[in-house]
Amino acid sequence: AQSVTQLDSQVPVFEEAPVELRCNYSSSVSVYLFWYVQYPNQGLQLLLKYLSGSTLVKGINGFEAEFNKSQTSFHLRKPSVHISDTAEYFCAVNSKAAGNKLTFGGGTRVLVKP
Amino acid sequence: GAVVSQHPSWVICKSGTSVKIECRSLDFQATTMFWYRQFPKQSLMLMATSNEGSKATYEQGVEKDKFLINHASLTLSTLTVTSAHPEDSSFYICSARDWAHSNEQFFGPGTRLTVL
Repeated sequence: AQSVTQLDSQVPVFEEAPVELRCNYSSSVSVYLFWYVQYPNQGLQLLLKYLSGSTLVKGINGFEAEFNKSQTSFHLRKPSVHISDTAEYFCAVNSKAAGNKLTFGGGTRVLVKP
Repeated sequence: GAVVSQHPSWVICKSGTSVKIECRSLDFQATTMFWYRQFPKQSLMLMATSNEGSKATYEQGVEKDKFLINHASLTLSTLTVTSAHPEDSSFYICSARDWAHSNEQFFGPGTRLTVL
């Protein structure tokens, strides 16, 4: 069975500071990895995804993530956050072995302070 | 491209009534649709997977008679919450997948259900 752990439930950060959101997964097979952002009372917006190829993935809004197979991690980073980045962030994994079902982490709430 | 809509965006109903939520893929054919529910300050939990023209597959612990799912066409799936109770109040989100992008899902904006 696959699972996802987001190590930080909440991350406070000052505006223009860097942020890193940690995500670790467990799966015995090849995986596909995703980061989503959710603003209050809205659906999920895809930030970036790793399907194959380069382990450094660049997404929208200045976010990037690095797939590390040996550490089974897919941490999300942004070098300089804005107030508008305040939101909930979800890491998710799926695999063909799991029927391409997405398994989500518990989420990390990012609160950007002025 | 790959836009998914949900209707309604929010609904308030009385306890004991049934509520239908629609999920549509607007610019692609969705061979598979997924329904999730999300409680406040929690993550998304998969309720069921539906393939066009066949019965939905429910996750463990989800009552199939309470949450009726229909996926009658390649662009529409519906979730009906039957005899709703306050504990069914939640945020329901659908997603859709097509053959060309079998590894990813496209999410709808969600439906907020409040049962009084």
